[in-house]
Amino acid sequence: DIQMTQSPSSVSASVGDRVTITCQASQGISSWLAWYQQKPGKAPKLLIYSASSLQSGVPSRFSGSGSGTDFTLIISSLQPEDFATYYCQQANNFPLTFGPGTKVHI
Amino acid sequence: QVQLVESGGNLVKPGGSLRLSCAASGFTFSDYYMNWIRQAPGKGLEWVSYISSSGSTIFYADSVKGRFTISRDNAKNSLYLQMNSLRAEDTAVYYCARVSPLGGSGSYSDSWGQGTLVTVSS
Repeated sequence: DIQMTQSPSSVSASVGDRVTITCQASQGISSWLAWYQQKPGKAPKLLIYSASSLQSGVPSRFSGSGSGTDFTLIISSLQPEDFATYYCQQANNFPLTFGPGTKVHI
Repeated sequence: QVQLVESGGNLVKPGGSLRLSCAASGFTFSDYYMNWIRQAPGKGLEWVSYISSSGSTIFYADSVKGRFTISRDNAKNSLYLQMNSLRAEDTAVYYCARVSPLGGSGSYSDSWGQGTLVTVSS
């Protein structure tokens, strides 16, 4: 199985900050990576797929990059509604696996 | 718009069974692959199972293989998860999720239900 790691596990930030979250796969997954946002008590929301493609309706302040084993999610200017937990997920093969999550908080 | 509504979650004793359902609307259900994904209280996301649009291709996480069965009824726009031999570690919110058609062969979940809570406890 492909193991996914994320760093940091949590980050304290302020509105307007640039936030960078990294995700690493235990083996190469090409660009088969997604990023999700989850708020407390809510279902996850797809933000980025195929490592860098922005899901429809997602603000352009979110961007993704990377390929192989190393990936990055950037929030260019943090907004109040962006305080949440972010997960990466590899879609290269089954079983699908998620990273442990990164909590973005004030 | 796309809507996925899970039901069937409940409190069940270890060793018991439960059947979860997911009612889909707002899209052509029979065209889409589907996932079940779960989240234990206070924990991260864990993929459980995947089924192709026709039901001919199915995958399971090792943690549920042999105990859970995914199925679908395209005529009823419904997805199911039959859960047998339940264990305490199966306690979680279970989400059904639609696989995005935009990811090529990648299984990205672009729409999720609100989840249904399964609690396994004596």
